[in-house]
Amino acid sequence: NAGVMQNPRHLVRRRGQEARLRCSPMKGHSHVYWYRQLPEEGLKFMVYLQKENIIDESGMPKERFSAEFPKEGPSILRIQQVVRGDSAAYFCASSPITGVQNIQYFGAGTRLSVL
Amino acid sequence: AQTVTQSQPEMSVQEAETVTLSCTYDTSESNYYLFWYKQPPSRQMILVIRQEAYKQQNATENRFSVNFQKAAKSFSLKISDSQLGDTAMYFCAFAYTGTASKLTFGTGTRLQVTL
Repeated sequence: NAGVMQNPRHLVRRRGQEARLRCSPMKGHSHVYWYRQLPEEGLKFMVYLQKENIIDESGMPKERFSAEFPKEGPSILRIQQVVRGDSAAYFCASSPITGVQNIQYFGAGTRLSVL
Repeated sequence: AQTVTQSQPEMSVQEAETVTLSCTYDTSESNYYLFWYKQPPSRQMILVIRQEAYKQQNATENRFSVNFQKAAKSFSLKISDSQLGDTAMYFCAFAYTGTASKLTFGTGTRLQVTL
């Protein structure tokens, strides 16, 4: 059973460009979470999605950031018109519908660098 | 809202020795989960150990154990027989019970295991 897959591992964008980060949850997992880690800090929650629904986006910046988890395909975190302050590691985690709740399995992260 | 505090930014331990990492949290809820995650230089987030608040018995996983003091809202991690591979950032995290909920992380403790 493959783990949580994130790609790309590294993404370089110039200011004003768009960044699209992808996350494929573990097989059988229908809950996806996105977290952001600024340098030398802990992870901060951004958004929680189930298939085709945003459940909690209380950690998402109000502008330029959006997330989706379509019925088919990976979850996408999209950042429009990136700025230097968006440079960070973005982690995706997934958890199962049933079984042991609240265990989130993390991907290896995408490191976004904005030039 | 819940908060998680890790008051030790850095710690060092010699190989084969024991080290304890501290974590305190604040919540008004009576039932929740607590976690320790490890982030090695590869940046992958790895679950080390998990504790359910309604269970009085402290969780253990091989060389890793916790001291969970619910009244004091304290959740420390003890690593016995430290190994070089234990060198990493360690994050304490909190989550409410429920189908799935976001993790709130502390700022982390950087652990260095030396020869």
